[in-house]
Amino acid sequence: DQQVKQNSPSLSVQEGRISILNCDYTNSMFDYFLWYKKYPAEGPTFLISISSIKDKNEDGRFTVFLNKSAKHLSLHIVPSQPGDSAVYFCAASVGNNNAGNMLTFGGGTRLMVKP
Amino acid sequence: DSGVTQTPKHLITATGQRVTLRCSPRSGDLSVYWYQQSLDQGLQFLIQYYNGEERAKGNILERFSAQQFPDLHSELNLSSLELGDSALYFCASSVGLHGGELFFGEGSRLTVL
Repeated sequence: DQQVKQNSPSLSVQEGRISILNCDYTNSMFDYFLWYKKYPAEGPTFLISISSIKDKNEDGRFTVFLNKSAKHLSLHIVPSQPGDSAVYFCAASVGNNNAGNMLTFGGGTRLMVKP
Repeated sequence: DSGVTQTPKHLITATGQRVTLRCSPRSGDLSVYWYQQSLDQGLQFLIQYYNGEERAKGNILERFSAQQFPDLHSELNLSSLELGDSALYFCASSVGLHGGELFFGEGSRLTVL
């Protein structure tokens, strides 16, 4: 049972255009969401996060939108650059509980930004 | 460089064998997490330790075990290995027990032949 799903395994965009990566979740207990970026032969690196009390968080070229009623979040990259080419993972957690900080990851979307 | 160190980077072994993967967290981080990534799959949470104690458990097989030592480094032991255990095993660390951002190592690629 995949609680976090990224339905697009890959996405190709032109340099300078917007990249939109999507993520859906099923567990209504999730209250903290993150995006990680992964280059080949490297571990995932944190990109941006959002708490369920917000519907938008922006950091430079990266913006994450959260639609709680639809259990959907998206990552917008504007403008896209060739260096953004990587696999992007969406992750979610039930925050602030004594059981720990288990992140549930989606399957990833491979973004290719063409020069 | 995330500050999380994993060894070995690559490991090839045979079915039925046992291996140990090692992780050194970032300086000051008390939580260590283990994740498994199989063949273009997402990262599957295995287990979390906080300051030496197990705090959360995911889909970790009984053939797998882990521990966190007093110096906070962690080891993941995989025994009676099967072909399906071939995967990338990531270790991550964070400062506290909970709170978002995890810092990942580069992973240990295990190949079971």
